[in-house]
Amino acid sequence: NAGVTQTPKFQVLKTGQSMTLQCAQDMNHNSMYWYRQDPGMGLRLIYYSASEGTTDKGEVPNGYNVSRLNKREFSLRLESAAPSQTSVYFCASSPIRYPHGGNEAFFGQGTRLTVV
Amino acid sequence: ILNVEQSPQSLHVQEGDSTNFTCSFPSSNFYALHWYRWETAKSPEALFVMTLNGDEKKKGRISATLNTKEGYSYLYIKGSQPEDSATYLCAFIGYDSTLTFGKGTMLLVSP
Repeated sequence: NAGVTQTPKFQVLKTGQSMTLQCAQDMNHNSMYWYRQDPGMGLRLIYYSASEGTTDKGEVPNGYNVSRLNKREFSLRLESAAPSQTSVYFCASSPIRYPHGGNEAFFGQGTRLTVV
Repeated sequence: ILNVEQSPQSLHVQEGDSTNFTCSFPSSNFYALHWYRWETAKSPEALFVMTLNGDEKKKGRISATLNTKEGYSYLYIKGSQPEDSATYLCAFIGYDSTLTFGKGTMLLVSP
């Protein structure tokens, strides 16, 4: 059982380049999330998708776009990368959606992105 | 932006010490509270899922309590071991399916 699969694991971009981070889960979860991890800041929510067909902004959405392609896949796009977007990105999924809020989230292995 | 606070920010204890951490969260729109353990270079893994006021959960030497009316949860580790060293995260789940994390408590247990 693969769980949550994130690609790529590492990426170096030049300022202004674009890229898409891919995330797929095989657990039939309703909700999917994108977080960024920065030193001293914990996990900050970028965007989330409570269910297939919906997406919503989180705490730090500026500079990002997302697509919930289907129930399995949730991608994060950087249209014009900036050095401030250097971070470790985590995708997560959960069956969370009322009345299933009592279930845990599962995380991908993370993507370490450096923008130079 | 939801305010999910964790304290202390970091903790250094000796093997065998017992310790506890606090997570505070908004009491409105509460649906669930999760605790995760996050080891360096790995992904967070769930410890506990708590939904009811007064919930107490236990897994080995680790336990957690929940007070939704006053908006806090405690995580306890009894007889800390070096392998308990990790960052412990709490996450607030609202009815809108948001999953908001605190900044975590970094625990270091020395032999």
